Amino acid sequence: DGGITQSPKYLFRKEGQNVTLSCEQNLNHDAMYWYRQDPGQGLRLIYYSQIVNDFQKGDIAEGYSVSREKKESFPLTVTSAQKNPTAFYLCASSRGLAPNEQFFGPGTRLTVL
Amino acid sequence: GENVEQHPSTLSVQEGDSAVIKCTYSDSASNYFPWYKQELGKRPQLIIDIRSNVGEKKDQRIAVTLNKTAKHFSLHITETQPEDSAVYFCAAPQRGAGSYQLTFGKGTKLSVIP
Repeated sequence: DGGITQSPKYLFRKEGQNVTLSCEQNLNHDAMYWYRQDPGQGLRLIYYSQIVNDFQKGDIAEGYSVSREKKESFPLTVTSAQKNPTAFYLCASSRGLAPNEQFFGPGTRLTVL
Repeated sequence: GENVEQHPSTLSVQEGDSAVIKCTYSDSASNYFPWYKQELGKRPQLIIDIRSNVGEKKDQRIAVTLNKTAKHFSLHITETQPEDSAVYFCAAPQRGAGSYQLTFGKGTKLSVIP
């Protein structure tokens, strides 16, 4: 299970607050991804990054922001503009630019109170 | 972009029987098709994948078949066991800005009844 970690495991937020979810990998992977998982919805892509200092919007980027200042780290900020942020958030990484296996972190469960 | 449809959404089988989950995709240029297993409260993990230069791949009780003409691929689990109970996701690549990302199906919840 080593290689890609996320923190915290559980996160509670009040409405109107921004929160940042951490994702770190030591697999030397170039690509990193953030997914949101809701019951019955599968995995939906929020943002992805293929190289340092570059990232692209996924299918549901509104209300989220990311940064990629280091190869190992890809933090996700859930802003107050995200209308329904309660969900399970998964970070993943993979080698290179071609389609390859993605390795997932253990996830962060965010609950808005 | 890529569109991935997965069926069925739930599947119950008796222990020892086989289970089949099917996915269809829309982009004929797609060339990589993974299957992930996610146990309750855990992270998804790759169980098998196939590239478009082969039609079938097998790993012990698990196999994946690919029909490029019909644009569908299937996961086959034989001699099912209770520990096979989980949610299974298929995926297909979608080309983005100079790179690829995966589009996932909505998942199939498999229950193996002892």
